[in-house]
Amino acid sequence: SFELTQPPSVSVSPGQAARITCSADAFPKQYAYWYQQKPGQAPVLVIYKDSERPSGIPERFSGSSSGTTVTLTISGVQAEDEADYYCQSADSSATSVLFGGGTKLTVL
Amino acid sequence: EVQLVESGGGVVRPGGSLRLSCAASGFTFDDYGMSWVRQAPGKGLEWVSGINWNGGSTGYVDSVKGRFTISRDNAKTSLYLQMNSLRAEDTALYHCARDRSDDYGDYRWFDPWGQGTLVTVSS
Repeated sequence: SFELTQPPSVSVSPGQAARITCSADAFPKQYAYWYQQKPGQAPVLVIYKDSERPSGIPERFSGSSSGTTVTLTISGVQAEDEADYYCQSADSSATSVLFGGGTKLTVL
Repeated sequence: EVQLVESGGGVVRPGGSLRLSCAASGFTFDDYGMSWVRQAPGKGLEWVSGINWNGGSTGYVDSVKGRFTISRDNAKTSLYLQMNSLRAEDTALYHCARDRSDDYGDYRWFDPWGQGTLVTVSS
């Protein structure tokens, strides 16, 4: 099995870029996905297959991958982006799923 | 509009049972796998179980194997989670989610999610 490690918190000022990392001890050649969760709401998919953005998600959300680390970047952060962000991946056969511990993004 | 609405949560004593339901609408239900994902109070997300489009393949996180059973009724466009031998650590908000995956294990993600139903295991 593997683990996904995220920083517990990230803080940025409005208009700056926020970068949230997700590191695996060994990504099993699977894609990574990112979800945004605001208080009292269900998670919402913001990035799929490492860097694809679903329809309806603002262009300021982007994803990238390098080695065993994937990164969610929010360019020009807005107050409404304050939320918890979770990365997710799967085992090599996609039969088991794992989430990172989550990162609380605070907009100062 | 795609909608997933969970029900069946409540307060149950340790060792007890509950059956969760998820009513799906707005999409062709039997074209997709489905999953349950839980979130303990103040904690992160944990995938619990998943089922493929026809119920022929299921998966569980190790901590619930032998206690929880996932099933679906495509005629009723509904997903279920039968939870037996409940423990305090099963206390969580349980979300159902549409499972986006292929037959080759190349990818798997969840979109959209329901609002969840709360399960509290307490004596």
